[in-house]
Amino acid sequence: AQSVTQPDIHITVSEGASLELRCNYSYGATPYLFWYVQSPGQGLQLLLKYFSGDTLVQGIKGFEAEFKRSQSSFNLRKPSVHWSDAAEYFCAVGSNTNAGKSTFGDGTTLTVKP
Amino acid sequence: EPEVTQTPSHQVTQMGQEVILRCVPISNHLYFYWYRQILGQKVEFLVSFYNNEISEKSEIFDDQFSVERPDGSNFTLKIRSTKLEDSAMYFCASGQPVETQYFGPGTRLLVL
Repeated sequence: AQSVTQPDIHITVSEGASLELRCNYSYGATPYLFWYVQSPGQGLQLLLKYFSGDTLVQGIKGFEAEFKRSQSSFNLRKPSVHWSDAAEYFCAVGSNTNAGKSTFGDGTTLTVKP
Repeated sequence: EPEVTQTPSHQVTQMGQEVILRCVPISNHLYFYWYRQILGQKVEFLVSFYNNEISEKSEIFDDQFSVERPDGSNFTLKIRSTKLEDSAMYFCASGQPVETQYFGPGTRLLVL
């Protein structure tokens, strides 16, 4: 069964500082990996996705993520955080089998200090 | 840019009542999904739908739940007899190809 672990429930960074949100997955085959962002009371916005190829993927809003098969990780990074990045971030694993369903992690809440 | 829409944005209902949550997927998408998120918890898969039938459903998706694509544009989730624990945000998603899903803004359901 596919699963996702986001070890950090809550992270606080200062505006302008770098950010890394951790994600570890478990999946028997080649995973499809996603990062979503959710602002309070809002829906899920896709930040980026990895299917194959270059293990460093670029997304929207200046985010990137690196797929490391050996570590079963797909960590999200941003070099300089803006106050508007404060939100909840979800990592998810999916596939083109299992009817394409996605399994989400518990989420990491990001707080940005001025 | 096309997007998934959901109505209503909020719904309050009494326990035992039926509710229908509506979604309009992105027009050329063929795969449709419902997920839910109980307040403060993670997003959970409910059901996937392709070619006018359920492809997969989770253990949450019991006999009280049903989905339908009544016409070429809408995708609905019905809860026959709501329970308090059905209170959650319900997200519709659509995808084409199957592995990339675009989520709607959600319907917040409150069961009293």
